[in-house]
Amino acid sequence: TQLLEQSPQFLSIQEGENLTVYCNSSSVFSSLQWYRQEPGEGPVLLVTVVTGGEVKKLKRLTFQFGDARKDSSLHITAAQPGDTGLYLCAGDYDGNKLVFGAGTILRVKS
Amino acid sequence: DVKVTQSSRYLVKRTGEKVFLECVQDMDHENMFWYRQDPGLGLRLIYFSYDVKMKEKGDIPEGYSVSREKKERFSLILESASTNQTSMYLCASSLRLRFYEQYFGPGTRLTVT
Repeated sequence: TQLLEQSPQFLSIQEGENLTVYCNSSSVFSSLQWYRQEPGEGPVLLVTVVTGGEVKKLKRLTFQFGDARKDSSLHITAAQPGDTGLYLCAGDYDGNKLVFGAGTILRVKS
Repeated sequence: DVKVTQSSRYLVKRTGEKVFLECVQDMDHENMFWYRQDPGLGLRLIYFSYDVKMKEKGDIPEGYSVSREKKERFSLILESASTNQTSMYLCASSLRLRFYEQYFGPGTRLTVT
């Protein structure tokens, strides 16, 4: 059973469109991370959110941590082909390791 | 620039062989991790280590062992490879108290035939 459920599993959109990816759990997390992984590479950390309700922005990417610290979302504005990749959320719930969601595969077509 | 390197990008082994996967980091990180990544399952933690000669089981340690003789190096060992261990193996490292900010290597695609 996945502790973290990501949706959608796969997203294919046109360049310039907006999109939102979700990460949900029934567990409370001390912190939550978003990683992006490109084909043939390891995941790269994008952001860490710690406080319930926290919103962080990274250029066209907006990350939000739910008030109860059980869920998070990643919103991309005006997606570009360079945003293509696997987006993974990961959560810290026991203080010494992460649990990862299954990921959302994003494909942005030009 | 931070760097985590893995000994091989691709590896093909036969069932029953002993397999060694090596990971080296140059960031003086205390923590190191081994994951396997399978489609639809995300990353699953096999073992991690928070210090030299220390190791902790992750979520799926069966069939694997690890070795950490030096701070910068963390090895994953498959004692007797099986076909269900065909997977992408990812190594990561982090500072001790910032274990959630992990730096990953490029991965080793292992195929067991």
